[in-house]
Amino acid sequence: AQKVTQAQTEISVVEKEDVTLDCVYETRDTTYYLFWYKQPPSGELVFLIRRNSFDEQNEISGRYSWNFQKSTSSFNFTITASQVVDSAVYFCALSESETSGSRLTFGEGTQLTVNP
Amino acid sequence: DAGVIQSPRHEVTEMGQEVTLRCKPISGHNSLFWYRQTMMRGLELLIYFNNNVPIDDSGMPEDRFSAKMPNASFSTLKIQPSEPRDSAVYFCASSLRTIKNIQYFGAGTRLSVL
Repeated sequence: AQKVTQAQTEISVVEKEDVTLDCVYETRDTTYYLFWYKQPPSGELVFLIRRNSFDEQNEISGRYSWNFQKSTSSFNFTITASQVVDSAVYFCALSESETSGSRLTFGEGTQLTVNP
Repeated sequence: DAGVIQSPRHEVTEMGQEVTLRCKPISGHNSLFWYRQTMMRGLELLIYFNNNVPIDDSGMPEDRFSAKMPNASFSTLKIQPSEPRDSAVYFCASSLRTIKNIQYFGAGTRLSVL
């Protein structure tokens, strides 16, 4: 069975600090997809990024970057120069199959608070 | 393009009443998912459909829950009879069955059963 673990329940930083959110996953499949979603205080779930298991290249998008390491089954998310608007719950998720339109297994989420 | 649309946004009902949550997926998407979010259990998948056909309903908690997708642009999740432990935020998501497999979520329905 697949599993996603986000060990950090809550993180609090001061604006402009860098912060890394950890995600560790378990799966028996060789083909899988990893995701990060953001849930701001308004409650909706916003897609941030998707990576497939064959692509270990790190990705950067503005202040966001993602580090995927198959050797440690981790897919960590770093926010550089954090801002108050980054305050949200962040979820890491795993999908095992492309062809079945399969389920997302979510981690427990990390509540990030960025203080001014 | 409109995103996934859920209604109502908030629902307050009394125990024993029937509750119907509605979802309109993104046009052209052919997979639809219902999730439930609670403090205790986090985000969990209840059921998903491919091309309007239920594929996996193993997450549906019990017979009181049922879901339908009569056509590609509409789905319902029904709880009958509702119980206080059903109080949660219910999300609908849709995706296009391509290599990207990204699920896009609606704003959710916050259900309170008194």
